[in-house]
Amino acid sequence: QQQVKQSPQSLIVQKGGISIINCAYENTAFDYFPWYQQFPGKGPALLIAIRPDVSEKKEGRFTISFNKSAKQFSLHIMDSQPGDSATYFCAASYSGGSNYKLTFGKGTLLTVNP
Amino acid sequence: GAGVSQTPSNKVTEKGKYVELRCDPISGHTALYWYRQSLGQGPEFLIYFQGTGAADDSGLPNDRFFAVRPEGSVSTLKIQRTERGDSAVYLCASSLGLAARSETQYFGPGTRLLVL
Repeated sequence: QQQVKQSPQSLIVQKGGISIINCAYENTAFDYFPWYQQFPGKGPALLIAIRPDVSEKKEGRFTISFNKSAKQFSLHIMDSQPGDSATYFCAASYSGGSNYKLTFGKGTLLTVNP
Repeated sequence: GAGVSQTPSNKVTEKGKYVELRCDPISGHTALYWYRQSLGQGPEFLIYFQGTGAADDSGLPNDRFFAVRPEGSVSTLKIQRTERGDSAVYLCASSLGLAARSETQYFGPGTRLLVL
């Protein structure tokens, strides 16, 4: 059972455009939703995270939109740059358990053309 | 070091052999996680340590996999009788943990394991 579903699998955007990646989760106990960026040969790096008490969080060109009733959240990258080309993972965790282990989506390969 | 480090960065072994993968977490981080990332997939949770104890090993695929963290810092993931299906990138992450109510996990670069 895939608890976090991510789409699209791959995305091509022109420089300056908006990149949008979507995720849906099933476990209503999840209460922490981070996005990670991963470059080839590197480990995932935290980009931005949100909790369900807010509907949107913005950090620079990166925005998370969160819809608790629909159990969906999305990452928007404004003014996309070639340097943003990487694989993006959404994830979720539950703070009420014994630890904060993350459940990841399958990833989206973003290519930003110059 | 400033971040999570993992050694070796690459490991090639033969089917049936034993391997050890090492993780050095960020200094002061009490929580340590191991994940496995197969090609084209997201990381999958294996095991979690809070201090020296394995508080959650529910992600370990079978009893060939074992991990230790004897002094609450460095951790070693051990795989016995390796199989070709064990080939993947093994990622380690650390965080300040439950006491700090911090969910933010910092990942290392991973160890790429190839079982021939």
